[in-house]
Amino acid sequence: QQPVQSPQAVILREGEDAVINCSSSKALYSVHWYRQKHGEAPVFLMILLKGGEQKGHEKISASFNEKKQQSSLYLTASQLSYSGTYFCGTDTNDKLIFGTGTRLQVFP
Amino acid sequence: EAGVAQSPRYKIIEKRQSVAFWCNPISGHATLYWYQQILGQGPKLLIQFQNNGVVDDSQLPKDRFSAERLKGVDSTLKIQPAKLEDSAVYLCASSLHQGPQFFGPGTRLTVL
Repeated sequence: QQPVQSPQAVILREGEDAVINCSSSKALYSVHWYRQKHGEAPVFLMILLKGGEQKGHEKISASFNEKKQQSSLYLTASQLSYSGTYFCGTDTNDKLIFGTGTRLQVFP
Repeated sequence: EAGVAQSPRYKIIEKRQSVAFWCNPISGHATLYWYQQILGQGPKLLIQFQNNGVVDDSQLPKDRFSAERLKGVDSTLKIQPAKLEDSAVYLCASSLHQGPQFFGPGTRLTVL
């Protein structure tokens, strides 16, 4: 059961904020977030373990609500380099299943 | 630290031919993954190794796909015979157990 991400696509101006959501129908042990630029491999951003924690990486942070089986990625004051497709990966029983993806485009 | 290495980067074959991909993970990473990524979709796990043992191959089309990880380091993924729908990018990744996954550059396969 592939996790569902929303929105499917986001267009931003530099400096604007965005939130990407990831929802699973299964109980989760952890959630990973990756960014993939066109023609490149996915790059790891962060991992969240169950416990409702929130983690941050510069101006990118994420939360994990274990009870709701959801995670959200927050991009603050977006930069051109944030453009790409964001995938969540949900860990259920030692297996990572990647989400449907959210395409983010940041313009000057 | 060297990243995950994959070869070839591109491959074009005709349907019913065979093809093999090679992956060298990050040194010390016990877990190795092969993913198939079709254009516009997220990576789909084909097979997961822990050292040289298979942890999960539930989505590997075993009638045509095979993979091995001899000596628990390098791995090869083979398709024989290839079908048109196998056209995709094949990504190899490695990790310490349950940790972040680090991906190689991928092999773009085109089946004509």
